[in-house]
Amino acid sequence: GENVEQHPSTLSVQEGDSAVIKCTYSDSASNYFPWYKQELGKRPQLIIDIRSNVGEKKDQRIAVTLNKTAKHFSLHITETQPEDSAVYFCAATYNTDKLIFGTGTRLQVFP
Amino acid sequence: GAVVSQHPSRVICKSGTSVKIECRSLDFQATTMFWYRQFPKQSLMLMATSNEGSKATYEQGVEKDKFLINHASLTLSTLTVTSAHPEDSSFYICSATTGTAGWISTEAFFGQGTRLTVV
Repeated sequence: GENVEQHPSTLSVQEGDSAVIKCTYSDSASNYFPWYKQELGKRPQLIIDIRSNVGEKKDQRIAVTLNKTAKHFSLHITETQPEDSAVYFCAATYNTDKLIFGTGTRLQVFP
Repeated sequence: GAVVSQHPSRVICKSGTSVKIECRSLDFQATTMFWYRQFPKQSLMLMATSNEGSKATYEQGVEKDKFLINHASLTLSTLTVTSAHPEDSSFYICSATTGTAGWISTEAFFGQGTRLTVV
């Protein structure tokens, strides 16, 4: 079945630094790659997504890149702030009708 | 964004009883809903995919007779945990998408989750 691997599992950065989270997927037919942010005790919230016909997408301090050949996609957060601290999940579609999540990255931003 | 409401948010039940969890899309028609289970500090494990009017598709290892899913309408899906045991204690969360059945390429909106404790 589909597998989505996510690294690192934990990431600690100083406020103002950049954070990068990487994911790989196995289904070459996957065409949709969202990133979710989950704060403690809350529901996951979509922060950015990218489709397979695009290589990069940016929204203010957040960007996502996609390498279809290598089946990699990454989340980049610049100028990190303490409120960016949360668990981040990548996901990829599988068989076009399922959303499979990565294992999550716990990001801590220290002031 | 669209709103998905999940109820109840917390439930405690006795071993052997059944618990029903509801997932409603409040302002859009959700052709497809997903049910996930999340263990502490772990990822969202897909349990099943439900499409309105048809039987749910369960992931490998998920007992369909134990986790009954009914997608009765375009705005409501229910998960019933039957004959609950302490090992069923977990955080269950649903998500809904406006993607057409069989093609997910749009945002999935999550409910707030249900913390089930079986005593």
